[in-house]
Amino acid sequence: AQTVTQSQPEMSVQEAETVTLSCTYDTSESDYYLFWYKQPPSRQMILVIRQEAYKQQNATENRFSVNFQKAAKSFSLKISDSQLGDAAMYFCAYRRFSGGGADGLTFGKGTHLIIQP
Amino acid sequence: GAGVSQSPSNKVTEKGKDVELRCDPISGHTALYWYRQSLGQGLEFLIYFQGNSAPDKSGLPSDRFSAERTGGSVSTLTIQRTQQEDSAVYLCASSLVDREAFFGQGTRLTVV
Repeated sequence: AQTVTQSQPEMSVQEAETVTLSCTYDTSESDYYLFWYKQPPSRQMILVIRQEAYKQQNATENRFSVNFQKAAKSFSLKISDSQLGDAAMYFCAYRRFSGGGADGLTFGKGTHLIIQP
Repeated sequence: GAGVSQSPSNKVTEKGKDVELRCDPISGHTALYWYRQSLGQGLEFLIYFQGNSAPDKSGLPSDRFSAERTGGSVSTLTIQRTQQEDSAVYLCASSLVDREAFFGQGTRLTVV
């Protein structure tokens, strides 16, 4: 079964600074997707960014970018120019390429990001 | 609708009562997931529906939990004889196959 590990239960960053959230995963698959989701106090899980494993280029969405290291099975999220609205729980997630099922979408335990004004 | 809709938003129930939680997925999404998120915890997979295939129930924690999906659309998660440890946020998500999941706002269940 796939596992996703987020080793940082909590991170704190000053507003306008850059922060990197770590994620590692374990899989025997060669094709898969990786995601970062954000969960603010409203509870709604919001997709931040996605990465297809077959793409070597790191995904970028505005201030959010990833560092995808397939050989190392590492998928970190970088948030540039941190804003107060970025404060939330961040979950790293894995999905195998085809289908779903119990291991179709696996989440890490999350990192609580605090933005200090 | 435009997004995944869950109801009720909050539910308080007495221990031993049955509860039903509803999820209305994004139209056209064939995959539907239920997750449970206990306080300060990650997401625990409960059950997965894909099209007309038999659901993957491997994550259901006990036989008190069941779910159905009618007409390939709306899903209901039922918890019978609720216990205090069932208190959690129950999240529903839907997706197209091999695409990212979109989540509802969840139902916060409190068993007193």
